[in-house]
Amino acid sequence: DAGVIQSPRHEVTEMGQEVTLRCKPISGHNSLFWYRQTMMRGLELLIYFNNNVPIDDSGMPEDRFSAKMPNASFSTLKIQPSEPRDSAVYFCASSLGGRGEQFFGPGTRLTVL
Amino acid sequence: AQSVTQPDIHITVSEGASLELRCNYSYGATPYLFWYVQSPGQGLQLLLKYFSGDTLVQGIKGFEAEFKRSQSSFNLRKPSVHWSDAAEYFCAVGANSNYQLIWGAGTKLIIKP
Repeated sequence: DAGVIQSPRHEVTEMGQEVTLRCKPISGHNSLFWYRQTMMRGLELLIYFNNNVPIDDSGMPEDRFSAKMPNASFSTLKIQPSEPRDSAVYFCASSLGGRGEQFFGPGTRLTVL
Repeated sequence: AQSVTQPDIHITVSEGASLELRCNYSYGATPYLFWYVQSPGQGLQLLLKYFSGDTLVQGIKGFEAEFKRSQSSFNLRKPSVHWSDAAEYFCAVGANSNYQLIWGAGTKLIIKP
């Protein structure tokens, strides 16, 4: 298996622009997680899905952030409008069942100017 | 509430020396326990995990960890570190009631030549 795939790997955009991050989980996994990592705040869970349904989005910073999982093999995290404080590395992870072992993608490094 | 504490933000060890990274957790029942490693610019990779059974678990890259219920600890060890072990290490705790992991703040390992 190719593992969790994220795109793009790097994104540089200007404040106010819309940003869309993409994730393909490992085939057969039924849980998907979006994380944000910064030096100041460490690793933060933004949202997680189980069987394509959002279960907990309490970590989403504000309404500018939205996430979707239209099918078992694809998810997006959208920021609109983006702000400089959104600059971070965004990770997608997937897992199978309730055992909690998560497999991480390589991350998307987002820079908002 | 569940929590994970990694008391050391940075640890510096000489190449060839032994290593122990500390992790303490707070959880009412027996948790699932994980150690992940993150090399610079990379995603998180699972080193080892504990679900049940033998309290000493072996992982990849020569790492091991021991679950000590009485101390609520899950410390990571390696008998002899290599320069390639320089990375950040994260301890995480999961419950069998949901899919989330609670993450420690991470310990950055620096290797002296």
